[in-house]
Amino acid sequence: GQNIDQPTEMTATEGAIVQINCTYQTSGFNGLFWYQQHAGEAPTFLSYNVLDGLEEKGRFSSFLSRSKGYSYLLLKELQMKDSASYLCAVRGSLASGGSYIPTFGRGTSLIVHP
Amino acid sequence: KAGVTQTPRYLIKTRGQQVTLSCSPISGHRSVSWYQQTPGQGLQFLFEYFSETQRNKGNFPGRFSGRQFSNSRSEMNVSTLELGDSALYLCASSLGGDNTGELFFGEGSRLTVL
Repeated sequence: GQNIDQPTEMTATEGAIVQINCTYQTSGFNGLFWYQQHAGEAPTFLSYNVLDGLEEKGRFSSFLSRSKGYSYLLLKELQMKDSASYLCAVRGSLASGGSYIPTFGRGTSLIVHP
Repeated sequence: KAGVTQTPRYLIKTRGQQVTLSCSPISGHRSVSWYQQTPGQGLQFLFEYFSETQRNKGNFPGRFSGRQFSNSRSEMNVSTLELGDSALYLCASSLGGDNTGELFFGEGSRLTVL
């Protein structure tokens, strides 16, 4: 089965750094995604990791350790607009239909306050 | 380039009714997936279509069905609505034949069942 865990809610201060963790147990592994979803809006792609290590993209970085089943999303220089839900999604084994179906965590609601 | 478009954005139905939701993917994207999003369960996979064929299906009852047309537009239908079907229904499209790329989500159709 597939199991993805991430904290339900986190709070942080504008200008600070926050790390959102994601642990997973899946049948096979073929990549991990992070998405951002503002209230009432569509989830949007942030990052993708398939190999161990850190991927940096501006203020956002994502880390993966496949042996530990662990990833984190690091947000630097937090801004008020970063208040959103952050979704961790893991692509496991190829599904029976011949394609990959990512499994999503329940999301971490990040609140950034002044 | 237009994004994923879902209609209607909001709708209210009563128990026992049925509902049809529509999704127009990004031009050139042939894979369309549907997800149900609720606060308690997060994003749950419903089904995925590619070239008018359902490739994969999640663990939802037969009341949930869908189809895809030759222009890649997709519809999902929920019959005999129950209160628990109240949720945000998200459609996502991707380019790759095996769905390896990132997902591009629409803003969703928020269904309320009374």
